[in-house]
Amino acid sequence: AQSVTQLGSHVSVSEGALVLLRCNYSSSVPPYLFWYVQYPNQGLQLLLKYTSAATLVKGINGFEAEFKKSETSFHLTKPSAHMSDAAEYFCAVSVNTGKLIFGQGTTLQVKP
Amino acid sequence: GAVVSQHPSRVICKSGTSVKIECRSLDFQATTMFWYRQFPKQSLMLMATSNEGSKATYEQGVEKDKFLINHASLTLSTLTVTSAHPEDSSFYICSYSALGGGFEETQYFGPGTRLLVL
Repeated sequence: AQSVTQLGSHVSVSEGALVLLRCNYSSSVPPYLFWYVQYPNQGLQLLLKYTSAATLVKGINGFEAEFKKSETSFHLTKPSAHMSDAAEYFCAVSVNTGKLIFGQGTTLQVKP
Repeated sequence: GAVVSQHPSRVICKSGTSVKIECRSLDFQATTMFWYRQFPKQSLMLMATSNEGSKATYEQGVEKDKFLINHASLTLSTLTVTSAHPEDSSFYICSYSALGGGFEETQYFGPGTRLLVL
């Protein structure tokens, strides 16, 4: 069965610092992986997705993620954090019926 | 990206009443949709999957008679919480998959509906 684990429920960085949000997956078949962002009291917005093309995936707002099969990881990064990046971030894996299995979520705090 | 709306955005109701939440796709025809619920500071949990014109498929532990889903058209799906109780208070989010729910496809999420049952 597929599953997703996000390491760190809360990450705090200074404005301008590197953002690294960790995601590890478990899947018996080649996975499709997604990162979504959720702002308070809003739905989810797609940041990026991996669908077995390039292992380095670039998304919106300067985010990118690298698929590493050997490490079963799909960590999300951004070189320089902005105050507007403060939000909840979810990693998700897609199973063969189209359902998404979400990780526990990571709250990103950006300090001025 | 696709635009998905939900109505109402927030609802407060008395225990025992029923509440209907609408989910609309505004710029494409959605053959497959998903309903999630999210408790405070927790992740999204899938409740059910439905395809237009078919009965919904509910996840284990979700009462289908309590959470009625109707996906009568390609642009509208509704979730009705029947005989709501305080434990049903949650954030309900719908999503659409445009091309039939294949597992590489992107889901587009609505803004969510906050339900508070008193």
